Amino acid sequence: TQLLEQSPQFLSIQEGENLTVYCNSSSVFSSLQWYRQEPGEGPVLLVTVVTGGEVKKLKRLTFQFGDARKDSSLHITAAQPGDTGLYLCAGATGNQFYFGTGTSLTVIP
Amino acid sequence: NAGVTQTPKFRILKIGQSMTLQCTQDMNHNYMYWYRQDPGMGLKLIYYSVGAGITDKGEVPNGYNVSRSTTEDFPLRLELAAPSQTSVYFCASSYSIQGYGYTFGSGTRLTVV
Repeated sequence: TQLLEQSPQFLSIQEGENLTVYCNSSSVFSSLQWYRQEPGEGPVLLVTVVTGGEVKKLKRLTFQFGDARKDSSLHITAAQPGDTGLYLCAGATGNQFYFGTGTSLTVIP
Repeated sequence: NAGVTQTPKFRILKIGQSMTLQCTQDMNHNYMYWYRQDPGMGLKLIYYSVGAGITDKGEVPNGYNVSRSTTEDFPLRLELAAPSQTSVYFCASSYSIQGYGYTFGSGTRLTVV
């Protein structure tokens, strides 16, 4: 059962462009996280959002948790080649996190 | 700070063989998890543990077993390997679920031929 749908699945943009990645579900989560994964490595936590409507900023990255705690978005401003990677959202329910299928981002210099 | 350490990094198994994937964390985390990651399929939970002596099945437990005798170690056992178990396996740990994220190991790439 796939609880979290991410879109788009693939994204290729030029350096300096802005982008938004979406993470949607019909389930309510107690918290939601975003991870970035590089080839051959495990995912690395970027942010945790807990409160509905919460917005967190991490330099050029802005994360938002939906008011109903069912969805989230990640916005990157002025993307750089170092932002290239697989972005994963994960929602917490019970003792587990459920992961989305990921968005593969390529930023072309 | 070692974090979460997984061994081996790579392994090729023949159909029907068995092996144990090792996972150790040095952060005194109670929660530990095993995921598998297949292309385009995201991370699927195999087993998890909320503390020493306590384990529970995740979404895809068939063909696997785990044990948690200490806080630090959470080995994953594959019995009678099958080609469907070809995947990248990640171990993760967390202090808690609410407000805390996972720390992942660097993964074990397993091929069953």
